[in-house]
Amino acid sequence: AQKVTQAQTEISVVEKEDVTLDCVYETRDTTYYLFWYKQPPSGELVFLIRRNSFDEQNEISGRYSWNFQKSTSSFNFTITASQVVDSAVYFCALRDSGAGSYQLTFGKGTKLSVIP
Amino acid sequence: GAVVSQHPSRVICKSGTSVKIECRSLDFQATTMFWYRQFPKKSLMLMATSNEGSKATYEQGVEKDKFLINHASLTLSTLTVTSAHPEDSSFYICSASYDPNTGELFFGEGSRLTVL
Repeated sequence: AQKVTQAQTEISVVEKEDVTLDCVYETRDTTYYLFWYKQPPSGELVFLIRRNSFDEQNEISGRYSWNFQKSTSSFNFTITASQVVDSAVYFCALRDSGAGSYQLTFGKGTKLSVIP
Repeated sequence: GAVVSQHPSRVICKSGTSVKIECRSLDFQATTMFWYRQFPKKSLMLMATSNEGSKATYEQGVEKDKFLINHASLTLSTLTVTSAHPEDSSFYICSASYDPNTGELFFGEGSRLTVL
């Protein structure tokens, strides 16, 4: 069975601090996809990144970066120089590669509060 | 990215009435859409997979007769909460897959249902 664990329920940081959101996953599949989504207070889910299991290169997009470590089954997300607009709930998700399978298994989310 | 739109964003109804929530893919065709439910401060729980032209596939524990799903076209799926009760109050989110190869999902804005 697939499982995604986001151990941090809530995190508070002061603006301009860096913050890392942890994500650990479990799957029996050798091919899978990992995602991060942002859910601002308005409720919608905003896609941030998709990473497939064969690509362990870290990725940076502006202030966002992701560290994929297959050896530890982790896909951590770092925000540098955090801003108030980063305040949201962030979800890590996992999807296997089964044909026609688009279902995502979500972690419980980490609520990030950036204090001005 | 692809756009998925939900309507209504908020709905309040009396106990015993039925409520319909629409999910539309605005700029792409989605043969498969997903319906999630999110309880306060909780993760997203997959309720059902909506397949165009066929019956929806429900997750274990989700009542088919209470949560009616219809996917009549490639751009529209509807979720009807029948004979709603206060415990059905929740945030319902739909998603659709834009890229069948990666299964990347795009999410609607969500619909907050409050049953009085």
